[in-house]
Amino acid sequence: DQQVKQNSPSLSVQEGRISILNCDYTNSMFDYFLWYKKYPAEGPTFLISISSIKDKNEDGRFTVFLNKSAKHLSLHIVPSQPGDSAVYFCAGRGGATNKLIFGTGTLLAVQP
Amino acid sequence: DVKVTQSSRYLVKRTGEKVFLECVQDMDHENMFWYRQDPGLGLRLIYFSYDVKMKEKGDIPEGYSVSREKKERFSLILESASTNQTSMYLCASSSFHRDRTSLYGYTFGSGTRLTVV
Repeated sequence: DQQVKQNSPSLSVQEGRISILNCDYTNSMFDYFLWYKKYPAEGPTFLISISSIKDKNEDGRFTVFLNKSAKHLSLHIVPSQPGDSAVYFCAGRGGATNKLIFGTGTLLAVQP
Repeated sequence: DVKVTQSSRYLVKRTGEKVFLECVQDMDHENMFWYRQDPGLGLRLIYFSYDVKMKEKGDIPEGYSVSREKKERFSLILESASTNQTSMYLCASSSFHRDRTSLYGYTFGSGTRLTVV
């Protein structure tokens, strides 16, 4: 039972353009959603999060949008930079248990 | 700078060996987790712990065990390593309380790339 799905295994964009990474979920009990970024041979690092009561959160070049009715969230990176090339994981937090359920990840390649 | 430290970056072990992966955090976090990352499968939870001497199975606990004798240390044990346990292993910790840096999220270690031959 895949509670968090990232249907695009990879994405390639040009430097300076917008990157849009998508994530779908099935568990209505998630109270927070988080995005992590992972470089090869390193652990994931926290990028941005959004509460389930919000529909948008912005931090510099990164914006996360949440559509609860569609059970869909997306991460927008504008403008994209070569250093953004990494695997991006979305995750849902299962309420009071503090356990995160991760998606399968999307490999973003930003071409110079 | 807060840290989750995994004892080894790379390990090569033989089939049937008992393998210990160690993880230490210095943030006084209550929760600790072990994940493995495999291509196309994302991050899958093996075991987690909400307190000392407490453990709970994650989604793929078979072939693994864990130990948490102290709050800061969480060990993953492969009782008899097999080739299908070749993977990147990631340890993480978190707090039940809102964390200003990760907002209920995890802090991960750098990972251990384990190869079983």
